[in-house]
Amino acid sequence: DADVTQTPRNRITKTGKRIMLECSQTKGHDRMYWYRQDPGLGLRLIYYSFDVKDINKGEISDGYSVSRQAQAKFSLSLESAIPNQTALYFCATSLGQGNTEAFFGQGTRLTVV
Amino acid sequence: EDKVVQSPLSLVVHEGDTVTLNCSYEVTNFRSLLWYKQEKKAPTFLFMLTSSGIEKKSGRLSSILDKKELFSILNITATQTGDSAVYLCAVDPARSGTYKYIFGTGTRLKVLA
Repeated sequence: DADVTQTPRNRITKTGKRIMLECSQTKGHDRMYWYRQDPGLGLRLIYYSFDVKDINKGEISDGYSVSRQAQAKFSLSLESAIPNQTALYFCATSLGQGNTEAFFGQGTRLTVV
Repeated sequence: EDKVVQSPLSLVVHEGDTVTLNCSYEVTNFRSLLWYKQEKKAPTFLFMLTSSGIEKKSGRLSSILDKKELFSILNITATQTGDSAVYLCAVDPARSGTYKYIFGTGTRLKVLA
C-alpha cells in the first residue's frame, strides 16, 4: 500500500460544484501539503499544514480550502469549482524536523467542465 | 520573490548519451535543494543537497550544488529509455518555522532507443 494515498484518482465535475480531494498518510509525518501541477507551470503550493492546529496558505490558495482532520489526514476542497481549476493535484508529506524531502501521493486528476 | 528555474525545458537524447540538467534559484534564504523524477504521476525523490561542492551519487545519476552561484546540476550518464521522465528541482527557502518547497517547471527528458 502507498504511504501517501489520494482519493479519488480521477474526477470530472461540473462548474459550480463542491468537491473534496482527500489525502491520508501512514508515514507518521507532521507536515502535509497540497500542490497543483499544470503544464508549463510546475508544482505550485496551495496550502500546507505543520500539525493539526496549523494551516497556512500557499501561493495559490484562492478558491480552495483545507481541513486537517488528524495527523494522517489532510483534505482539499473546492467550494465552487471552475474550469481553470482543472489540473493534477498532489498531496505530499514531510517529517517535522530538519532537512527532509517531501513524499508525494499518486495524484488526483481533476477536470472541471 | 523566491523562484527556481530549470533548463532546458525539454531534451531528446539517444541511449548511451550523457545529459546535464540545470537548476538555478533565487531565494531569500536557503536550506536545501532537492531533485525529483516524475514518470507517470507521483514525483519520486532522487537527491537532497545542502552543501556546496559535495556530489551526491546514485548509480548513473549524480548531482552537485554551488551555493555561491546559486545553481545545481543533475547528471545522468549512459542514459537508458527508463530515464525518460520529467526531472523536477525544488528549493526549501528556509523561513523561520516553515518548510516549504518551491518547484521549478521541470525538464522533460526523452531517451530514444
